[in-house]
Amino acid sequence: SAVISQKPSRDICQRGTSLTIQCQVDSQVTMMFWYRQQPGQSLTLIATANQGSEATYESGFVIDKFPISRPNLTFSTLTVSNMSPEDSSIYLCSVEVGGGGFYGYTFGSGTRLTVV
Amino acid sequence: AQSVTQLDSHVSVSEGTPVLLRCNYSSSYSPSLFWYVQHPNKGLQLLLKYTSAATLVKGINGFEAEFKKSETSFHLTKPSAHMSDAAEYFCVVSDWNTDKLIFGTGTRLQVFP
Repeated sequence: SAVISQKPSRDICQRGTSLTIQCQVDSQVTMMFWYRQQPGQSLTLIATANQGSEATYESGFVIDKFPISRPNLTFSTLTVSNMSPEDSSIYLCSVEVGGGGFYGYTFGSGTRLTVV
Repeated sequence: AQSVTQLDSHVSVSEGTPVLLRCNYSSSYSPSLFWYVQHPNKGLQLLLKYTSAATLVKGINGFEAEFKKSETSFHLTKPSAHMSDAAEYFCVVSDWNTDKLIFGTGTRLQVFP
């Protein structure tokens, strides 16, 4: 299965600033997914990123707040813009892996963001 | 729309006793179901998955889950809990049309000595 390297692992940021989170996959993947996990909560999908096209955002998430880049089949970034304390969460990327009908999803180790 | 419901937000067991984490799903089609585990300050790890093959699915670390269509359930079990099993467990369904994952709210498992 694929291995994802996600960084930074954690950061403390000032409100009003932006943070870019990177995910590098050790194999080519079509779709990459970005999730948010608010404190004590489950995971919520932010957007799906396909290489060569605009990311598709879920209800409640907008491109101006969470711009995503997907320059190639192994890399993606998520930016959290104009941060406020409400953005304090764990952010995770994920890819679908496998083929021949036998598949699953691998997750990065997450970025723990604290906005002060 | 597909969804999963984890019936217990917290489960506490003694070490060596059985574990049961309950999950019910809602799906118009034969679903793909997963259990993931998240240990404190660590990423998500896939425990097991059901993709319309055998209804009893065996996963890592002694966990298994049984897909019961008549009950729309996919409960996670383990015969004997270990201290290292203490973590947050998520039941997840994959949307057949978009491949998006839909997460349950999670069950926190505590294991007492």
